Amino acid sequence: EPEVTQTPSHQVTQMGQEVILRCVPISNHLYFYWYRQILGQKVEFLVSFYNNEISEKSEIFDDQFSVERPDGSNFTLKIRSTKLEDSAMYFCASAQDRGSEAFFGQGTRLTVV
Amino acid sequence: SQQGEEDPQALSIQEGENATMNCSYKTSINNLQWYRQNSGRGLVHLILIRSNEREKHSGRLRVTLDTSKKSSSLLITASRAADTASYFCATDAWRDDKIIFGKGTRLHILP
Repeated sequence: EPEVTQTPSHQVTQMGQEVILRCVPISNHLYFYWYRQILGQKVEFLVSFYNNEISEKSEIFDDQFSVERPDGSNFTLKIRSTKLEDSAMYFCASAQDRGSEAFFGQGTRLTVV
Repeated sequence: SQQGEEDPQALSIQEGENATMNCSYKTSINNLQWYRQNSGRGLVHLILIRSNEREKHSGRLRVTLDTSKKSSSLLITASRAADTASYFCATDAWRDDKIIFGKGTRLHILP
């Protein structure tokens, strides 16, 4: 069964460093999303991406964040200068169409020290 | 905000019993989805119900949607230890390109 895959599963980075989280969405899906979940808290929407551009973003998704679909298969989330409060589980998701089932990857646990 | 809010926040039941979790939301929705998350793991898609549907089944899962009350319920019948997890409802609205999650219900199945 097709699935969303994310790498790495765990990343530790120093405060101020840039990180890139990678995702391979399901191949025939057109909508892509990033979410984050701070330990023990709710799953928060960051950004959605369609037709090679951001279609919607939340207040959390400030200038430190960017997304890219560099090669038609990967979908990346970049955090330019990490802060301690960026420590969280980051989930990528994809959906075939707007309003269809969204499938999530296993997440990348980001720890900023 | 369209976000869903689940209740109860936590639920403990004996194995074999049925578990019911509820979700309420604030604005008109297009779809409502339920997800399961085992501790520290990914979000597993369980079921999607559209705004023009009232009930949907998948195996031991039964989901209902009442758009007049802006609420949904997830029933898990004949619970098993493996059902121990957090369960989230997530909604999307017309013309929105985002899915908003509730805070979840932590379900614990006692042996």
